[in-house]
Amino acid sequence: DIVMTQSPDSLAVSLGERATINCKSSQSVLNSSNNKNSLAWYQQRPGQPPKLLIYWASTRESGVPDRFSGSGSGTDFTLTISSLQAEDVAVYYCQQHYDTPTFGQGTKLEIK
Amino acid sequence: EVQLVESGGGLVQPGGSLRLSCAASGFSFSGSWMSWVRQAPGKGLEWVTNINPEGSEKYYVDSVKGRFTISRDNANNSLYLQMNSLSAEDTAVYHCARVRILSSRSLFDSWGQGTLVTVSS
Repeated sequence: DIVMTQSPDSLAVSLGERATINCKSSQSVLNSSNNKNSLAWYQQRPGQPPKLLIYWASTRESGVPDRFSGSGSGTDFTLTISSLQAEDVAVYYCQQHYDTPTFGQGTKLEIK
Repeated sequence: EVQLVESGGGLVQPGGSLRLSCAASGFSFSGSWMSWVRQAPGKGLEWVTNINPEGSEKYYVDSVKGRFTISRDNANNSLYLQMNSLSAEDTAVYHCARVRILSSRSLFDSWGQGTLVTVSS
């Protein structure tokens, strides 16, 4: 199985500031058939189920604010929130959709 | 609006069985791959099992193979998970999720709130 490792485990960012979460896969998740990276990001707010934010590493799901962006390739990926809002407090998970799905351990994002 | 509502969780003794249900609405259930994803208390997410729209293809994480069975009833827009030989390691919130297939692989674009399964004596 592909192991997904996120960093940091938690971070605190001031409102309006940038938040950056990293995700590393144990092997490349680059899909050779379409040259896209099979990496998704989810947001789980307290008491809520996960919500899909991004797939193919950088494609935003419909309705997701454009302050959320994804980047990276191969084994190293980043979720960036350009200007943190109060409603962004959540745990964020990466997931590879290259093989049998596996998730990162999660990164807890709080307001500083 | 997509809605997924799980039920059937509860407290069960080690070695026991439980059947979870998921009622789906707001989308073409009979045309969708579906999944169960679990989350142990205070822990991360773990994919458990997938089923194709016809119910003829089923996939499981190794740790539940031979113990869990996924099934569906397209006439009633319902998804099920039969769980047998339960152990403490199966304690988790079990989420029903709609699967989006990208290049033959899965991600999860709608989730239910989940139902808690606690395995304890």
